[in-house]
Amino acid sequence: IAGITQAPTSQILAAGRRMTLRCTQDMRHNAMYWYRQDLGLGLRLIHYSNTAGTTGKGEVPDGYSVSRANTDDFPLTLASAVPSQTSVYFCASSETPGQGSNEQFFGPGTRLTVL
Amino acid sequence: GQNIDQPTEMTATEGAIVQINCTYQTSGFNGLFWYQQHAGEAPTFLSYNVLDGLEEKGRFSSFLSRSKGYSYLLLKELQMKDSASYLCAPMDSNYQLIWGAGTKLIIKP
Repeated sequence: IAGITQAPTSQILAAGRRMTLRCTQDMRHNAMYWYRQDLGLGLRLIHYSNTAGTTGKGEVPDGYSVSRANTDDFPLTLASAVPSQTSVYFCASSETPGQGSNEQFFGPGTRLTVL
Repeated sequence: GQNIDQPTEMTATEGAIVQINCTYQTSGFNGLFWYQQHAGEAPTFLSYNVLDGLEEKGRFSSFLSRSKGYSYLLLKELQMKDSASYLCAPMDSNYQLIWGAGTKLIIKP
């Protein structure tokens, strides 16, 4: 059982390029999340999805988009990358919020550098 | 607004006890999580408190006072592998986690 996987592990990207970060979970969790983590700051929520077919905006959604076509996959797309999007990106999943344990399980992260 | 306050860095000695404090203000409250994060790795779950009081789990304990907006994580018998960042994260009324910047714990021999 892999839990949550993310790809790529790391990426260097030219500004203005389009990039999709992949996230897949095999725990059949309804909820999935994308966070970014920058030095000296807490994890900040970009987008979330409480169930397949629905998505919501988090604290810092600008410049990012997501889709949730099925339970397992939750890709994050940067339409036109900018240097301020240089960060470590974590995908997480949990049981339906407010039901079950509420614990979030994290993927290993993607380190993205935009030049 | 929502705010989390925890010390930026703490240093402790191997074998000793350390307490990491966290104060919070959130829009509603549905419990508080503590996560551990080693450098370059993902956060991993340590504890969850939803009611006031102390939850003990091996060498780690977590305390919550909802009326004071306060929690602490207590680590006993410190080991070198406990060197990591410890993240306090209360859950708001929408069941979203609000993350603190974390406390970097340095363990010295």
